[in-house]
Amino acid sequence: EAGVAQSPRYKIIEKRQSVAFWCNPISGHATLYWYQQILGQGPKLLIQFQNNGVVDDSQLPKDRFSAERLKGVDSTLKIQPAKLEDSAVYLCASSHYLNEQFFGPGTRLTVL
Amino acid sequence: DQQVKQNSPSLSVQEGRISILNCDYTNSMFDYFLWYKKYPAEGPTFLISISSIKDKNEDGRFTVFLNKSAKHLSLHIVPSQPGDSAVYFCAASITGGGNKLTFGTGTQLKVEL
Repeated sequence: EAGVAQSPRYKIIEKRQSVAFWCNPISGHATLYWYQQILGQGPKLLIQFQNNGVVDDSQLPKDRFSAERLKGVDSTLKIQPAKLEDSAVYLCASSHYLNEQFFGPGTRLTVL
Repeated sequence: DQQVKQNSPSLSVQEGRISILNCDYTNSMFDYFLWYKKYPAEGPTFLISISSIKDKNEDGRFTVFLNKSAKHLSLHIVPSQPGDSAVYFCAASITGGGNKLTFGTGTQLKVEL
């Protein structure tokens, strides 16, 4: 069974630029999560989808971050415009409804 | 507000000995706890979990202990192996809370030969 796929794996941008990350969850997993992991901290949930609906986006900085999950499969997370403090690893995870979460390898974002 | 805390950023243990990783939490609503293991350039992988109705759960070399009164849990690895060298995250959730995980800051375990 293929795991959670994420791309790109690494991204370097200047502040105020835009960036998008892509996630393909495990086939059949209804629930998809985006986490932000800043260096030295644990992952923090940004947004959770069930199918193509948002379950929790309470910690998503909505003035600059957006996410969508069209057709309830793939998802994209966008940052526009990026700030220095957005430098982090962005992890995507998926689960079969509310069961164990499986994580992708993450995208490491550096904002200069 | 750090609701899940791992106060030891790093731990070094000799191969074959016991590794003990600790985690404290402040939110008394948490009733399900998990440990994840993370290698560099990979995502976290689930290791072991425990429900608040238990005080111990064992899976091979890994045992998690929960002390609800102290709001403390620990992960024991016996015997430790070099392949166990990784960052270990403690996470907590609330049943009925939509499977939302709150993670600690992680402990880097190094198992030396």
